Amino acid sequence: AQTVTQSQPEMSVQEAETVTLSCTYDTSESNYYLFWYKQPPSRQMILVIRQEAYKQQNATENRFSVNFQKAAKSFSLKISDSQLGDTAMYFCAFMKQVGGATNKLIFGTGTLLAVQP
Amino acid sequence: GAGVSQTPSNKVTEKGKYVELRCDPISGHTALYWYRQSLGQGPEFLIYFQGTGAADDSGLPNDRFFAVRPEGSVSTLKIQRTERGDSAVYLCASSPGGGDTEAFFGQGTRLTVV
Repeated sequence: AQTVTQSQPEMSVQEAETVTLSCTYDTSESNYYLFWYKQPPSRQMILVIRQEAYKQQNATENRFSVNFQKAAKSFSLKISDSQLGDTAMYFCAFMKQVGGATNKLIFGTGTLLAVQP
Repeated sequence: GAGVSQTPSNKVTEKGKYVELRCDPISGHTALYWYRQSLGQGPEFLIYFQGTGAADDSGLPNDRFFAVRPEGSVSTLKIQRTERGDSAVYLCASSPGGGDTEAFFGQGTRLTVV
């Protein structure tokens, strides 16, 4: 069974600064995907960034980037130039690759990020 | 619709009652997922539909929980004999299927069993 661990229940960062959220996972699979989702108070989960395990290059999406260490099973999220709108719960998630189909997500317990003005 | 729609947004029910939660996925999305999110936790997988059939229902906690998707679009999560421990936010997500891994989530239904 796969597990996802987020060891930081809460984080705080000043506006315009950089913050890194940690995530580790455990799996015996060799093909999988990793995701970071953002959940604001509206409850709707929003995809921030995703990483295919077979790709060595770290994914980036504007101010968001990841540090993917496959051997260490680590997948951290770096947010640069933090903005007040980044305040939310952030969830790390794992998806096993099953042929060419989508599959269920396994989520961590989340990190509550507060961006301070 | 433009996104995944879940109704109702909030539902309060008495212990022992039956409830139905509805999910309207993005048009054309063949894959549909239900998750349950308890307070302070990450979402937990309940069931996954590919088209009309349940491809994986391993997350349903017991036989009080059942879900259908009769026409491969709208899905209904049904909970019988509700218990206070069923109180949670129930999230629905859909994805295009095939090789596209992005799941689009609705805003969830907050179920409170009193």
